[in-house]
Amino acid sequence: AQSVSQHNHHVILSEAASLELGCNYSYGGTVNLFWYVQYPGQHLQLLLKYFSGDPLVKGIKGFEAEFIKSKFSFNLRKPSVQWSDTAEYFCAVRILGYSTLTFGKGTMLLVSP
Amino acid sequence: EAGVVQSPRYKIIEKKQPVAFWCNPISGHNTLYWYLQNLGQGPELLIRYENEEAVDDSQLPKDRFSAERLKGVDSTLKIQPAELGDSAVYLCASSYPGTGELFFGEGSRLTVL
Repeated sequence: AQSVSQHNHHVILSEAASLELGCNYSYGGTVNLFWYVQYPGQHLQLLLKYFSGDPLVKGIKGFEAEFIKSKFSFNLRKPSVQWSDTAEYFCAVRILGYSTLTFGKGTMLLVSP
Repeated sequence: EAGVVQSPRYKIIEKKQPVAFWCNPISGHNTLYWYLQNLGQGPELLIRYENEEAVDDSQLPKDRFSAERLKGVDSTLKIQPAELGDSAVYLCASSYPGTGELFFGEGSRLTVL
């Protein structure tokens, strides 16, 4: 079965700092990749997704992620974080042809003003 | 468009008591998921429905957990009897078949005393 690893459980940044959250998955076949975000007190919502094509995908609120197949990675980036980006971020993988998503353990991001 | 609706949002019970959670997915979403989220962890799949059929329930502890989706729309997840270790957030999500893009409800937080 596939697994998803998120490198950091907690990240603390100051506003305007750059962000990169690591995500690696274990499945060797074709996958779809997702980043979900959960703001305090809110439900999980999709930030961005990769299905095929350009490995650099752009999502909402200035986030982007790059799929590097050779490294089994799908790292999330943002050039300049804002206080409102404080949230928990989850990477998820789906094996092509299956509906179920497997999630990482999440990274809690705290942005100080 | 209304999102995924779950109830109750919070439930506190004593161990050995039964509890039930209800979920109404987004209209037209044939696939429904129940996920379990423990503190500091990512969501873990309990069961997936395609219409009214449970197609992936391998992670559902069937000795005490049960679920149903009788008319292929809303769903109920039941625990009987609850144990201390069941304290967690129970998430419901829905999607169009095969898309992999899940839409989550706000979750039902269970505390077992």
